[in-house]
Amino acid sequence: NAGVMQNPRHLVRRRGQEARLRCSPMKGHSHVYWYRQLPEEGLKFMVYLQKENIIDESGMPKERFSAEFPKEGPSILRIQQVVRGDSAAYFCASSPRRGGTDTQYFGPGTRLTVL
Amino acid sequence: DQQVKQNSPSLSVQEGRISILNCDYTNSMFDYFLWYKKYPAEGPTFLISISSIKDKNEDGRFTVFLNKSAKHLSLHIVPSQPGDSAVYFCAASQSEKLVFGKGTKLTVNP
Repeated sequence: NAGVMQNPRHLVRRRGQEARLRCSPMKGHSHVYWYRQLPEEGLKFMVYLQKENIIDESGMPKERFSAEFPKEGPSILRIQQVVRGDSAAYFCASSPRRGGTDTQYFGPGTRLTVL
Repeated sequence: DQQVKQNSPSLSVQEGRISILNCDYTNSMFDYFLWYKKYPAEGPTFLISISSIKDKNEDGRFTVFLNKSAKHLSLHIVPSQPGDSAVYFCAASQSEKLVFGKGTKLTVNP
């Protein structure tokens, strides 16, 4: 029973390029959450998705960032025209049901470095 | 404006003794609290949780206490083991998302 999978684990991009981060939730989980961790900080919520729907994107920057969770395939967090301030660890979590009482299981993260 | 605060960035204890990690929150609407453990270069791993209607939850060596009037929770690990050395994050549930503290780095010395 595989856990939450994220790839790539490490991603290096130059300023202005695009970054695509992928997340495959645990089997049977249809709820996906993305968090960002800046150095020396806690994890900050970005977006919550169910299959084909964005439920809550209140933590997403208004520009350059987008997320999707298609009917088939992994969830994708896309960052266009990356800047140095986007360098961080991006974690995906999945849950079997909606609601905070169910534990969110985290993937190993993607460490994005913008040169 | 931090809604979940872990005021101790680090804690060092001797193996076999008790580790107490603290967390304060400001939002009285939080309905669930969780502790996660994180090793370097890995994702957070769920440790233990507590509903806002309870004041204590125990799981083996780990116990979480919740004091709603003080908006404070704590994680007790006893006895502490070297393998417990990690960063511990307190998180609170607000609607569909978790709000995390900045973490406390626990070092358990043999």
